[in-house]
Amino acid sequence: NAGVTQTPKFQVLKTGQSMTLQCAQDMNHEYMSWYRQDPGMGLRLIHYSVGAGITDQGEVPNGYNVSRSTTEDFPLRLLSAAPSQTSVYFCASSYGAVGTDTQYFGPGTRLTVL
Amino acid sequence: GESVGLHLPTLSVQEGDNSIINCAYSNSASDYFIWYKQESGKGPQFIIDIRSNMDKRQGQRVTVLLNKTVKHLSLQIAATQPGDSAVYFCAEARSGSARQLTFGSGTQLTVLP
Repeated sequence: NAGVTQTPKFQVLKTGQSMTLQCAQDMNHEYMSWYRQDPGMGLRLIHYSVGAGITDQGEVPNGYNVSRSTTEDFPLRLLSAAPSQTSVYFCASSYGAVGTDTQYFGPGTRLTVL
Repeated sequence: GESVGLHLPTLSVQEGDNSIINCAYSNSASDYFIWYKQESGKGPQFIIDIRSNMDKRQGQRVTVLLNKTVKHLSLQIAATQPGDSAVYFCAEARSGSARQLTFGSGTQLTVLP
């Protein structure tokens, strides 16, 4: 199994540009999440999904959209990039809800918005 | 508001010594806690977890202690090795929650030769 994969690893955007961060897992996990990590801080939840076709907002959802058309993929879209969205983005997946299964993290995407 | 925080942002220990990393939480509804290790340039890696019905749980070279009275948990690493150098995060949640985890800000552990 490849586990949780994320592309790209690095990205530089100009303010106002849009892009999609890709996340895929091959473990047949129902639960998937997106987090952002700012320097010197812990991870903050952006959006999450409990299964295909079901998504919900986390702690910091503004400026981001998600969709879950398949179990395997959970892309994160930046609608109009802003410098405040400069961060490292992590995707995670688990078979069950918190406390029932370990959450596995991808390697991250480092995004810089100029 | 709800928060998960760490007492110390950095910790340096000699190789072979034991390490203790502390974490405070404020959400009384949290009943599930996890410690993650994050090496530079990588995603967080699960170390050990504990539920609120336990005070202590041991893994391989690691022990997590939970004190619900003062809302505090700690991670103890025995015989710390150079490969243990990383940022360690505690995270908390309500078991069964679909909202996943709330993370603390992290402690940088440096193992000195």
